[in-house]
Amino acid sequence: GNSVTQMEGPVTLSEEAFLTINCTYTATGYPSLFWYVQYPGEGLQLLLKATKADDKGSNKGFEATYRKETTSFHLEKGSVQVSDSAVYFCALGRTGGADGLTFGKGTHLIIQP
Amino acid sequence: GAVVSQHPSRVICKSGTSVKIECRSLDFQATTMFWYRQFPKQSLMLMATSNEGSKATYEQGVEKDKFLINHASLTLSTLTVTSAHPEDSSFYICSAEGQKNYGYTFGSGTRLTVV
Repeated sequence: GNSVTQMEGPVTLSEEAFLTINCTYTATGYPSLFWYVQYPGEGLQLLLKATKADDKGSNKGFEATYRKETTSFHLEKGSVQVSDSAVYFCALGRTGGADGLTFGKGTHLIIQP
Repeated sequence: GAVVSQHPSRVICKSGTSVKIECRSLDFQATTMFWYRQFPKQSLMLMATSNEGSKATYEQGVEKDKFLINHASLTLSTLTVTSAHPEDSSFYICSAEGQKNYGYTFGSGTRLTVV
């Protein structure tokens, strides 16, 4: 079956530091890959996505590249801000939907001023 | 962009009562809606998938008689937690998928507390 593994948190960084949150997956076929962000007490917001190998998703300074050869979709940001503090979820789903998403356990990111 | 509205955002109920949570797609027709459950500091687990006009498909281990799902229209799905118990306390989130909305838009979630 499908599964998503992402690095355990919490991850604590200083403001303006470089961020990497690792995400690897196992899946049949060619899934689409997503990163979602969840702020305290709120639902999930789609941060970025990639639908095929070598695609790069990007949004708000975050980016992730769909690497089929390493089955990875690592999230990166060059300079984090305090407002980026949240829980980040990596997820995969079948292109076109219909099956729901498989989520990683989430990584709690804490940015200190 | 695609918007999914979910309410209530928080609800406290007494043990043994039932609670209904609504999930609406505001600007698109949701052919499929998904219901997830999130335990504290854990990931989201898919509970069930519903398609408009047909019975929901439940994931293994989810009691269909306890978590009633209705998807009566292309813009509304409801989850009813029947005879709620404290162990049902959790964060419930819906998401919706439509023809022009690829990306699984999520509602803002419902925090259910059963006392």
